[in-house]
Amino acid sequence: EVQLVESGGGLVQPGGSLRLSCAVSGSTFSTYNMNWVRQAPGKGLEWVSYISSGSSGGSGIYYADSVKGRFTISRDNAKNSLYLQMNSLRDDDTAVYYCARDFRNGGLDYWGQGTLVTVSS
Amino acid sequence: DIQMTQSPSSLSASVGDRVTITCRASQRISNYLSWYQLKAGKAPKLLIYAASSLQSGVPSRFSGSGSGTDFSLTISSLQPEDFATYYCQQSYMIPRTFGQGTKVEIK
Repeated sequence: EVQLVESGGGLVQPGGSLRLSCAVSGSTFSTYNMNWVRQAPGKGLEWVSYISSGSSGGSGIYYADSVKGRFTISRDNAKNSLYLQMNSLRDDDTAVYYCARDFRNGGLDYWGQGTLVTVSS
Repeated sequence: DIQMTQSPSSLSASVGDRVTITCRASQRISNYLSWYQLKAGKAPKLLIYAASSLQSGVPSRFSGSGSGTDFSLTISSLQPEDFATYYCQQSYMIPRTFGQGTKVEIK
């Protein structure tokens, strides 16, 4: 069974940093493109970032404009893990962050349970 | 960016009702459209990918249709476990935008 487990969330002050991790089991992690998606309190889903399969993101790394220049997505295929380094955090980055696996036509077929990031002073 | 507009934003329905949610893209996206179900405290669940393909394990009462700019998700006979929020998402272009969601509530 495929499982994705996020970790690394917590309370951080504005301007601070956090690194989220997503441990993937039950699938050949290196062959799948991966994503981060978030949901702010009371809001809808927002796509955050994408990294293509292969080492170091292969042919593609992309970000939403709202996080470009502040967040960095990466992966370690040897550890079956996906990461999101978040710097210069702002209040509006407060959200539950999900990692999700790319499927056919870009549908996201497996998601983690999410990790809560709270940015507040 | 491609804007995804869902309607309605919420609806009230009874068990057994047929429910249809629509999603309109601001430009043509071929069939790069997925539908998700979201319940509080649970991971989002992929229902439909490629506009009309049913994800493995999803009940057949869920169906998707459409191509280009107009899409719909239909639940043929609403069940108690279907009360949730539903989102469409386009994956034709980066950024991969979601619709604003449709909350399906019990009448």
